[in-house]
Amino acid sequence: VQLHQSGPGLLKSSETLSLTCDVSGDSFSGYYWSWVRQPPGKGLEWIGYIYYSGSTDYNPSLKSRVTMSVDASKRQLSLKVTSMTAADSAVYYCARGRFSLDYWGQGTLVAVSS
Amino acid sequence: DIVMTQSPDSLAVSLGERATINCKSSQSVFQSSYNKDYLSWYQQKPGQPPKLLIYWASTRESGVPDRFSGSGSGTDFTLTISSLQTEDVAVYFCQQYYSSPVTFGQGTRLEIK
Repeated sequence: VQLHQSGPGLLKSSETLSLTCDVSGDSFSGYYWSWVRQPPGKGLEWIGYIYYSGSTDYNPSLKSRVTMSVDASKRQLSLKVTSMTAADSAVYYCARGRFSLDYWGQGTLVAVSS
Repeated sequence: DIVMTQSPDSLAVSLGERATINCKSSQSVFQSSYNKDYLSWYQQKPGQPPKLLIYWASTRESGVPDRFSGSGSGTDFTLTISSLQTEDVAVYFCQQYYSSPVTFGQGTRLEIK
Protein backbone atom coordinates (compact mmCIF):
# COMPACT_ATOMS: atom_id res chain seq x y z
CA VAL A 1 0.00 0.00 0.00
CA GLN A 2 1.27 3.46 -0.91
CA LEU A 3 -0.25 6.81 -0.03
CA HIS A 4 0.92 9.80 -2.04
CA GLN A 5 -0.04 13.26 -0.93
CA SER A 6 -0.25 16.43 -2.97
CA GLY A 7 -1.21 20.02 -2.33
CA PRO A 8 0.22 23.48 -1.77
CA GLY A 9 2.92 24.03 0.83
CA LEU A 10 2.33 27.74 1.39
CA LEU A 11 -0.88 29.54 2.20
CA LYS A 12 -1.84 32.97 3.37
CA SER A 13 -3.79 33.54 6.53
CA SER A 14 -7.57 32.99 6.09
CA GLU A 15 -7.11 30.83 2.97
CA THR A 16 -8.39 27.25 2.64
CA LEU A 17 -6.04 24.29 2.67
CA SER A 18 -6.80 21.58 0.12
CA LEU A 19 -4.84 18.35 0.18
CA THR A 20 -5.31 15.10 -1.68
CA CYS A 21 -4.01 11.63 -0.93
CA ASP A 22 -3.85 8.99 -3.67
CA VAL A 23 -3.92 5.37 -2.56
CA SER A 24 -2.29 2.61 -4.57
CA GLY A 25 -1.69 -1.05 -3.93
CA ASP A 26 -4.11 -2.80 -1.64
CA SER A 27 -7.87 -2.41 -1.60
CA PHE A 28 -9.36 1.02 -0.98
CA SER A 29 -12.85 -0.09 -0.14
CA GLY A 30 -13.57 -1.37 3.32
CA TYR A 31 -11.00 0.81 5.01
CA TYR A 32 -11.04 3.90 7.16
CA TRP A 33 -8.68 6.71 6.22
CA SER A 34 -7.35 9.27 8.66
CA TRP A 35 -5.63 12.65 8.63
CA VAL A 36 -3.07 13.64 11.26
CA ARG A 37 -0.98 16.78 11.55
CA GLN A 38 2.27 17.63 13.31
CA PRO A 39 3.58 21.15 13.91
CA PRO A 40 7.35 21.29 13.30
CA GLY A 41 9.21 19.78 16.23
CA LYS A 42 5.99 18.96 18.07
CA GLY A 43 3.58 16.09 18.65
CA LEU A 44 0.83 14.48 16.62
CA GLU A 45 -2.73 15.80 16.39
CA TRP A 46 -5.56 13.70 15.00
CA ILE A 47 -7.71 15.65 12.56
CA GLY A 48 -10.28 12.95 11.85
CA TYR A 49 -11.16 9.97 9.72
CA ILE A 50 -13.40 9.08 6.83
CA TYR A 51 -14.75 5.67 5.89
CA TYR A 52 -14.54 4.67 2.22
CA SER A 53 -18.32 5.04 2.06
CA GLY A 54 -18.07 8.65 3.26
CA SER A 55 -18.98 8.63 6.96
CA THR A 56 -16.71 10.83 9.04
CA ASP A 57 -15.56 11.68 12.53
CA TYR A 58 -13.67 14.92 13.15
CA ASN A 59 -11.68 16.26 16.06
CA PRO A 60 -13.99 18.74 17.84
CA SER A 61 -11.09 21.21 18.00
CA LEU A 62 -11.17 21.48 14.19
CA LYS A 63 -14.63 20.25 13.32
CA SER A 64 -16.06 23.62 12.29
CA ARG A 65 -13.29 24.12 9.70
CA VAL A 66 -12.62 20.60 8.38
CA THR A 67 -14.17 18.64 5.54
CA MET A 68 -12.98 15.22 4.44
CA SER A 69 -14.14 13.43 1.33
CA VAL A 70 -13.37 10.31 -0.67
CA ASP A 71 -13.55 9.37 -4.31
CA ALA A 72 -13.43 5.60 -4.27
CA SER A 73 -13.36 5.39 -8.06
CA LYS A 74 -10.12 7.37 -8.04
CA ARG A 75 -8.87 5.81 -4.77
CA GLN A 76 -8.41 9.34 -3.50
CA LEU A 77 -8.93 11.15 -0.21
CA SER A 78 -9.30 14.87 0.21
CA LEU A 79 -8.90 17.22 3.16
CA LYS A 80 -10.06 20.81 3.32
CA VAL A 81 -9.39 23.14 6.22
CA THR A 82 -10.85 26.62 6.03
CA SER A 83 -9.70 29.87 7.65
CA MET A 84 -6.09 28.75 8.02
CA THR A 85 -3.86 30.65 10.45
CA ALA A 86 -0.24 30.40 11.52
CA ALA A 87 -1.34 27.99 14.27
CA ASP A 88 -2.34 25.54 11.52
CA SER A 89 1.20 25.40 10.12
CA ALA A 90 2.24 21.76 10.29
CA VAL A 91 3.11 18.62 8.39
CA TYR A 92 -0.16 17.04 7.34
CA TYR A 93 -0.36 13.27 6.90
CA CYS A 94 -2.94 10.93 5.46
CA ALA A 95 -2.94 7.40 6.86
CA ARG A 96 -4.90 4.17 6.61
CA GLY A 97 -7.00 3.14 9.56
CA ARG A 98 -9.48 4.33 12.11
CA PHE A 99 -7.73 2.99 15.16
CA SER A 100 -4.06 2.11 14.67
CA LEU A 101 -2.65 3.68 11.51
CA ASP A 102 -0.60 1.20 9.54
CA TYR A 103 0.27 3.03 6.32
CA TRP A 104 1.12 6.72 6.05
CA GLY A 105 1.62 9.26 3.33
CA GLN A 106 4.92 11.07 3.00
CA GLY A 107 3.55 14.19 4.64
CA THR A 108 2.97 17.69 3.29
CA LEU A 109 4.57 20.64 5.05
CA VAL A 110 2.06 23.47 5.09
CA ALA A 111 3.19 26.93 6.13
CA VAL A 112 0.71 29.75 6.68
CA SER A 113 1.96 33.29 6.33
CA SER A 114 0.27 36.44 7.50
CA ASP B 1 -10.59 14.08 25.74
CA ILE B 2 -8.29 11.34 27.02
CA VAL B 3 -4.90 12.80 27.88
CA MET B 4 -1.90 10.60 27.14
CA THR B 5 1.23 11.34 29.17
CA GLN B 6 4.54 9.73 28.31
CA SER B 7 7.60 9.42 30.50
CA PRO B 8 10.37 10.26 30.27
CA ASP B 9 10.41 13.04 27.65
CA SER B 10 13.87 11.88 26.58
CA LEU B 11 15.98 8.85 27.25
CA ALA B 12 19.58 7.86 26.55
CA VAL B 13 20.43 4.17 26.57
CA SER B 14 23.62 2.29 25.72
CA LEU B 15 23.70 0.03 22.68
CA GLY B 16 22.48 -3.44 23.54
CA GLU B 17 20.77 -2.27 26.71
CA ARG B 18 17.05 -2.20 27.47
CA ALA B 19 14.97 0.91 26.81
CA THR B 20 11.64 1.43 28.54
CA ILE B 21 9.08 4.10 27.69
CA ASN B 22 5.93 4.63 29.72
CA CYS B 23 2.53 5.94 28.71
CA LYS B 24 -0.30 6.79 31.06
CA SER B 25 -3.86 7.60 29.99
CA SER B 26 -6.16 9.90 31.94
CA GLN B 27 -8.84 7.20 31.86
CA SER B 28 -8.91 3.53 31.07
CA VAL B 29 -8.64 2.58 27.41
CA PHE B 30 -9.65 -1.03 28.05
CA GLN B 31 -12.77 -2.07 26.17
CA SER B 32 -14.28 -4.95 28.11
CA SER B 33 -16.67 -5.88 25.29
CA TYR B 34 -13.73 -6.85 23.12
CA ASN B 35 -11.23 -7.54 25.93
CA LYS B 36 -8.76 -5.19 24.31
CA ASP B 37 -6.78 -2.12 25.23
CA TYR B 38 -7.20 0.50 22.55
CA LEU B 39 -3.58 1.65 22.47
CA SER B 40 -0.84 1.78 19.85
CA TRP B 41 2.83 2.71 19.75
CA TYR B 42 4.61 4.47 16.88
CA GLN B 43 8.24 5.19 16.00
CA GLN B 44 9.11 8.36 14.10
CA LYS B 45 12.52 9.12 12.62
CA PRO B 46 13.47 12.62 11.38
CA GLY B 47 11.80 13.59 8.15
CA GLN B 48 9.64 10.46 8.09
CA PRO B 49 6.03 9.71 8.94
CA PRO B 50 5.32 7.67 12.07
CA LYS B 51 5.64 3.92 11.78
CA LEU B 52 3.22 1.62 13.57
CA LEU B 53 5.02 -0.72 15.98
CA ILE B 54 2.39 -2.09 18.36
CA TYR B 55 -1.41 -2.14 18.40
CA TRP B 56 -3.97 -3.45 20.90
CA ALA B 57 -1.27 -2.55 23.46
CA SER B 58 0.82 -5.66 22.87
CA THR B 59 0.40 -6.94 19.29
CA ARG B 60 3.48 -6.37 17.19
CA GLU B 61 2.88 -5.07 13.67
CA SER B 62 4.08 -7.33 10.88
CA GLY B 63 7.77 -6.82 10.13
CA VAL B 64 8.58 -5.12 13.44
CA PRO B 65 11.60 -6.71 15.13
CA ASP B 66 10.78 -8.82 18.17
CA ARG B 67 13.03 -6.70 20.37
CA PHE B 68 10.04 -4.31 20.47
CA SER B 69 7.29 -5.29 22.89
CA GLY B 70 4.27 -3.60 24.41
CA SER B 71 2.66 -4.30 27.76
CA GLY B 72 0.18 -2.90 30.22
CA SER B 73 -3.57 -2.50 30.52
CA GLY B 74 -6.15 -0.01 31.62
CA THR B 75 -4.28 3.25 32.10
CA ASP B 76 -0.61 2.25 32.28
CA PHE B 77 1.40 1.00 29.35
CA THR B 78 5.03 0.34 28.49
CA LEU B 79 7.02 0.05 25.29
CA THR B 80 10.19 -1.96 25.77
CA ILE B 81 13.12 -2.32 23.41
CA SER B 82 15.03 -5.29 24.75
CA SER B 83 18.41 -4.57 23.15
CA LEU B 84 18.86 -1.10 21.70
CA GLN B 85 20.21 -0.83 18.17
CA THR B 86 21.48 2.29 16.40
CA GLU B 87 18.48 2.26 14.06
CA ASP B 88 16.13 2.57 17.05
CA VAL B 89 17.10 6.21 17.62
CA ALA B 90 13.80 8.00 17.11
CA VAL B 91 10.85 9.64 18.81
CA TYR B 92 8.19 7.24 20.13
CA PHE B 93 4.52 8.07 20.54
CA CYS B 94 1.66 6.25 22.21
CA GLN B 95 -1.89 6.70 20.91
CA GLN B 96 -5.31 5.87 22.31
CA TYR B 97 -8.25 5.06 20.09
CA TYR B 98 -10.70 4.09 22.82
CA SER B 99 -12.70 7.26 22.40
CA SER B 100 -12.94 10.18 20.02
CA PRO B 101 -10.98 12.28 19.58
CA VAL B 102 -8.01 9.99 19.11
CA THR B 103 -5.12 11.39 21.11
CA PHE B 104 -1.37 10.89 21.21
CA GLY B 105 1.26 11.19 23.89
CA GLN B 106 3.71 14.08 23.62
CA GLY B 107 6.52 11.77 22.47
CA THR B 108 9.69 10.35 23.99
CA ARG B 109 13.03 11.00 22.30
CA LEU B 110 15.34 7.99 22.45
CA GLU B 111 19.07 8.45 21.96
CA ILE B 112 22.24 6.41 22.28
CA LYS B 113 24.28 6.97 25.44
